[in-house]
Amino acid sequence: DTGVSQDPRHKITKRGQNVTFRCDPISEHNRLYWYRQTLGQGPEFLTYFQNEAQLEKSRLLSDRFSAERPKGSFSTLEIQRTEQGDSAMYLCASSSGPPYNEQFFGPGTRLTVL
Amino acid sequence: AQKITQTQPGMFVQEKEAVTLDCTYDTSDPSYGLFWYKQPSSGEMIFLIYQGSYDQQNATEGRYSLNFQKARKSANLVISASQLGDSAMYFCAMRDGGSQGNLIFGKGTKLSVKP
Repeated sequence: DTGVSQDPRHKITKRGQNVTFRCDPISEHNRLYWYRQTLGQGPEFLTYFQNEAQLEKSRLLSDRFSAERPKGSFSTLEIQRTEQGDSAMYLCASSSGPPYNEQFFGPGTRLTVL
Repeated sequence: AQKITQTQPGMFVQEKEAVTLDCTYDTSDPSYGLFWYKQPSSGEMIFLIYQGSYDQQNATEGRYSLNFQKARKSANLVISASQLGDSAMYFCAMRDGGSQGNLIFGKGTKLSVKP
């Protein structure tokens, strides 16, 4: 399978715990995006990487959130001290070339904070 | 600020008929792109169709076509010959020229295809 993969698919955690999600983009894609989707809403942009450089962050990305893409391949998104409001689907997408190229999304990680 | 509006929370269509899902957008940037994605109940976002602001013709991809009316700032998705497998959430999204490509999504429309 050469699509975008995300791990884990589901995560249940207690409030205050740290969680980390992984995204493996399509191998030749240099652009990687993280989005968050809450129930009944469309995805909201969180952050963007071009290769290993994090070039843009949304104001939604509080200081409890951090993302990395150490070698320009896979990316991780960590949430520290989780809150119930962090419960959402976290989607990763990748694309190649110019910004107007379509983004290919992974299956998402559904986070539930108890 | 850029914004996408989808005013139809839910739509029903009879199998084999055509359906139009509405999308209006707001941006002051002359260069932008419009996308439609399908999200089945399984959760993954599936790219359907793209329209660039400078494209002269409406985009088409198989049974999907985009009715792009630039002056009205609308980018409606038309699905012809609906199939049961078309039942899903549909999201309209926009990328503007000033961004790094991150998409701004609407709230979506839930399409249900009736047999």
